[in-house]
Amino acid sequence: QMQLQESGPRLVKPSETLSLICSVSGGPIISNSYSWAWIRQPPGKGLEWIGSVYQSGTTHFNPSLMSRVAISADTSRNQVSLKLTSATAADTALYYCARLAWIVRDMADAFDMWGLGTKVIVS
Amino acid sequence: DIQMTQSPSSLSALVGDRVTITCRASQSIDTYINWYQLKPGTAPRLLIYAASNLHSGVPSRFSGTGSGTDFTLIINRLEPEDFATYFCQQSYTIPRTFGQGTRVEVK
Repeated sequence: QMQLQESGPRLVKPSETLSLICSVSGGPIISNSYSWAWIRQPPGKGLEWIGSVYQSGTTHFNPSLMSRVAISADTSRNQVSLKLTSATAADTALYYCARLAWIVRDMADAFDMWGLGTKVIVS
Repeated sequence: DIQMTQSPSSLSALVGDRVTITCRASQSIDTYINWYQLKPGTAPRLLIYAASNLHSGVPSRFSGTGSGTDFTLIINRLEPEDFATYFCQQSYTIPRTFGQGTRVEVK
């Protein structure tokens, strides 16, 4: 059974880069059946998809964050990383790493596995 | 971006109640909708994928219906562990977007 664990600094200064790691255990991060995503939840608000990285290395990002975000997969460490530059208070949130599973029968995808999340405060 | 509008934003219910949560997409998304359960301190959980398919390990009291723009998550016979916040999410296009959530509280 795969497990995901997010880690990184809890406190980030404004204008600095927010950097998080998702450590994956119980299976390889590269597969034809799934990709990886970062999702966040600001205090008292809903969920926001940040972006995804696919088996090919292709990435998709939320247009609202595209100019500041990078997501990559490190197969040697079995980790997925998130970097968000020029952090502001609006980036304060609970950050989740999630597995994006591809459901062949329905030609659809879903976030079928999540970490517990890591809280980041920009201040 | 496709807007996902959930209702209600919160509801109060008793154990054993039937709970219905709706989600409306700002444009047709066929059946490309998923439902999740969030509880503080725990990993979010996928309940339903592609509108009506029960994810592995999810109790059968959860069900989903709908297509196009209007969707429903139903919890039959609410259990104590079901008090949580529920989110819909469209997987039709990028950016993936979520509803604002429905908090199910104890009445």
